[in-house]
Amino acid sequence: SQQGEEDPQALSIQEGENATMNCSYKTSINNLQWYRQNSGRGLVHLILIRSNEREKHSGRLRVTLDTSKKSSSLLITASRAADTASYFCATAPYNQGGKLIFGQGTELSVKP
Amino acid sequence: ETGVTQTPRHLVMGMTNKKSLKCEQHLGHNAMYWYKQSAKKPLELMFVYSLEERVENNSVPSRFSPECPNSSHLFLHLHTLQPEDSALYLCASSQDSAGGAYEQYFGPGTRLTVT
Repeated sequence: SQQGEEDPQALSIQEGENATMNCSYKTSINNLQWYRQNSGRGLVHLILIRSNEREKHSGRLRVTLDTSKKSSSLLITASRAADTASYFCATAPYNQGGKLIFGQGTELSVKP
Repeated sequence: ETGVTQTPRHLVMGMTNKKSLKCEQHLGHNAMYWYKQSAKKPLELMFVYSLEERVENNSVPSRFSPECPNSSHLFLHLHTLQPEDSALYLCASSQDSAGGAYEQYFGPGTRLTVT
């Protein structure tokens, strides 16, 4: 079964608007991480939230985690054209060593 | 720059060729990873090395052969590949591989095309 499924698959917004992406997963986790990927490049780590945390902030990014619903959300506030990228959630399943399982990602387009 | 470099950035090879992908990390990390990213599919974990020892082999065909001579270098040796192996191959490193507790730092990837 797929771990870390993002929703929506694609999102198009205007500069200045907020963007919200959601991630659902199926098994117990140690932590959940969000990554960003510009077209055809490597992934860049954004935020790691542990299973005992509910919310975390980093600059314009806000991540929430609800372990009872097995879901997480990434909010980007006051978006910029430079935020255009694919965003992936990755779960670190409990008792599976260092494995990270990535979802298919949300493709965000921010129009100037 | 993330501190993880990959060479070459682009590679075109025939099905009978043998080539190698190289990854180097300058972060002092103990764990290194190979991932495959195909179009419209999630990243697939291929191999995990911790302190130069392979700790994960995710049912990868034997035509992909990893090598980790030390904790800073990771290779992926390729031979007799198939066109469906065409993809972006990403290398990553993290402080440790235990419990997925750490963020991973990715290289820019090698875009591989098998003809």
